[in-house]
Amino acid sequence: NAGVTQTPKFRILKIGQSMTLQCAQDMNHNYMYWYRQDPGMGLKLIYYSVGAGITDKGEVPNGYNVSRSTTEDFPLRLELAAPSQTSVYFCASSYSSGNAEAFFGQGTRLTVV
Amino acid sequence: AQKITQTQPGMFVQEKEAVTLDCTYDTSDPSYGLFWYKQPSSGEMIFLIYQGSYDQQNATEGRYSLNFQKARKSANLVISASQLGDSAMYFCVIDPGTYKYIFGTGTRLKVLA
Repeated sequence: NAGVTQTPKFRILKIGQSMTLQCAQDMNHNYMYWYRQDPGMGLKLIYYSVGAGITDKGEVPNGYNVSRSTTEDFPLRLELAAPSQTSVYFCASSYSSGNAEAFFGQGTRLTVV
Repeated sequence: AQKITQTQPGMFVQEKEAVTLDCTYDTSDPSYGLFWYKQPSSGEMIFLIYQGSYDQQNATEGRYSLNFQKARKSANLVISASQLGDSAMYFCVIDPGTYKYIFGTGTRLKVLA
């Protein structure tokens, strides 16, 4: 049981480049999330999805886009990378909201130079 | 707006001793879930324990227990018989059922041999 799988684990981008962080879960969870974690801080929600075809903004959505064409996949797109997007990105999923643990991927460490 | 406050940025505990990590929260939602996650230096997020706002008893999971005081809006994590492997960052999290986990800033725990 793979759980939540994120790729890549590490990436260095130049300012202005774009990339997609991949996230897949095999638990048939409807709810999926993208978070970023800056050094020494807690996680902040970027985007979330409550099911295929439905996405919504979280606390810090600027500079990012998402799509959810299937239940399993929830990619995060960074357009025009900026140094402020240097962070660790976590994808997570859960089967409900309010009373269920979220399962997290291993994280992607992104550096923008 | 929901908010989680963890007032202890760092804590030390002697091996085999118990330690309490503080967490207070602010929410106007009557129904919510409270979670604690552990993040070791390797970076992954590990679910520890869950407490529902309507649960009458404090949650326990092995060496972890939650001191839940609803009227005071506090949900302190108690780790009994600390082990060296407990050294990590600990996050208190609230989910008011709005598809969004809200993280505290974390407490870094160091277990001393």
